Amino acid sequence: QKEVEQNSGPLSVPEGAIASLNCTYSDRGSQSFFWYRQYSGKSPELIMFIYSNGDKEDGRFTAQLNKASQYVSLLIRDSQPSDSATYLCAVNTGRRALTFGSGTRLQVQP
Amino acid sequence: KAGVTQTPRYLIKTRGQQVTLSCSPISGHRSVSWYQQTPGQGLQFLFEYFSETQRNKGNFPGRFSGRQFSNSRSEMNVSTLELGDSALYLCASSSVLAGENEQFFGPGTRLTVL
Repeated sequence: QKEVEQNSGPLSVPEGAIASLNCTYSDRGSQSFFWYRQYSGKSPELIMFIYSNGDKEDGRFTAQLNKASQYVSLLIRDSQPSDSATYLCAVNTGRRALTFGSGTRLQVQP
Repeated sequence: KAGVTQTPRYLIKTRGQQVTLSCSPISGHRSVSWYQQTPGQGLQFLFEYFSETQRNKGNFPGRFSGRQFSNSRSEMNVSTLELGDSALYLCASSSVLAGENEQFFGPGTRLTVL
């Protein structure tokens, strides 16, 4: 079983819709959770982080964490074609060693 | 504030050679982590340095090594290159202030081994 699992996609949503990206992790001791966006040929860009159970909102992005279910999600409201990218879920497994999922490719259709 | 910088951006080597990659973290960040990204294995943690000391190491062979200097700049070295070492090598910097665990990536060095 992979430590961090994501659906590889592609997840296709129409422009203006809400995109919902999901991630599960196996290490119950994990404390920090991150979402990175990666455009093709570029490096990952940090867009959200969450440390406590519940929701955290930043602009069009909302991260949700449920430690009991070992589940992290990212919601993107009012999706734009520029949001089309691969979204990587990462979990801090200690000492700044991030374990990444394989990423979900999001396609926003104009 | 300037971001993380990595040099060189692209590198072509042949099997058996060695390579050194460089990373300068965000000003004030003292932790530097290195990752390898390949299409097959995704993003994998190599090692992390803080105050010139390696604090954590991923599951990579001893051919992969690194170091950090007193100004927090870091280098990683890969010896006896293999075809499978072709990858995007990413450096990430992080502040070590209490509660701050976010890592910010540089543009990466794309290594091709022929």
